[in-house]
Amino acid sequence: GAGVSQTPSNKVTEKGKYVELRCDPISGHTALYWYRQSLGQGPEFLIYFQGTGAADDSGLPNDRFFAVRPEGSVSTLKIQRTERGDSAMYLCASSFGLAGYNEQFFGPGTRLTVL
Amino acid sequence: AQSVSQHNHHVILSEAASLELGCNYSYGGTVNLFWYVQYPGQHLQLLLKYFSGDPLVKGIKGFEAEFIKSKFSFNLRKPSVQWSDTAEYFCALILTGGGNKLTFGTGTQLKVEL
Repeated sequence: GAGVSQTPSNKVTEKGKYVELRCDPISGHTALYWYRQSLGQGPEFLIYFQGTGAADDSGLPNDRFFAVRPEGSVSTLKIQRTERGDSAMYLCASSFGLAGYNEQFFGPGTRLTVL
Repeated sequence: AQSVSQHNHHVILSEAASLELGCNYSYGGTVNLFWYVQYPGQHLQLLLKYFSGDPLVKGIKGFEAEFIKSKFSFNLRKPSVQWSDTAEYFCALILTGGGNKLTFGTGTQLKVEL
């Protein structure tokens, strides 16, 4: 079956602009996660959803970052007033449930470059 | 706060050599531990995981890892690597009862030469 998909695969924007990154989880997966991976680092947790609600957004770096999942499936990560330091690979993952034993399946990521 | 350390950032091995990648974590409570792998051009995927029970866990493609609680370690091993094992390997943890958010190490880039 289809895996987690993310669009766009690459996004280049200018400092100060607004961007939206989209994640389509595996069908039937109720939990969805966003991570950010900077060059030479491991992924860092941003936020996760169970259904439509954000269960934990403690990893969002500041109030320029926001994520939604209005119908409990597709999620959008929104970044306002982008800064050069936001440049990174943004990864989405989904799992069947929120319990730790549920494997997280990762998408290919969106590479964001802020000029 | 919890953290994961991977001390080997780049490892180069010849085919058939044995592999051991180090992973140590910092957290005083109970954790679940994982190794993820990212092959060139592919997504992150789960290699193996430890939740409880036998501290020696076996994963896909002949990999195994041993949880040593007293050393806060979860090293990854493979007796004989292949060229196709060239990839980046990430150790990660989840706090038991702390939600399902993964904390990753910085990764180890493994290159296997023919």
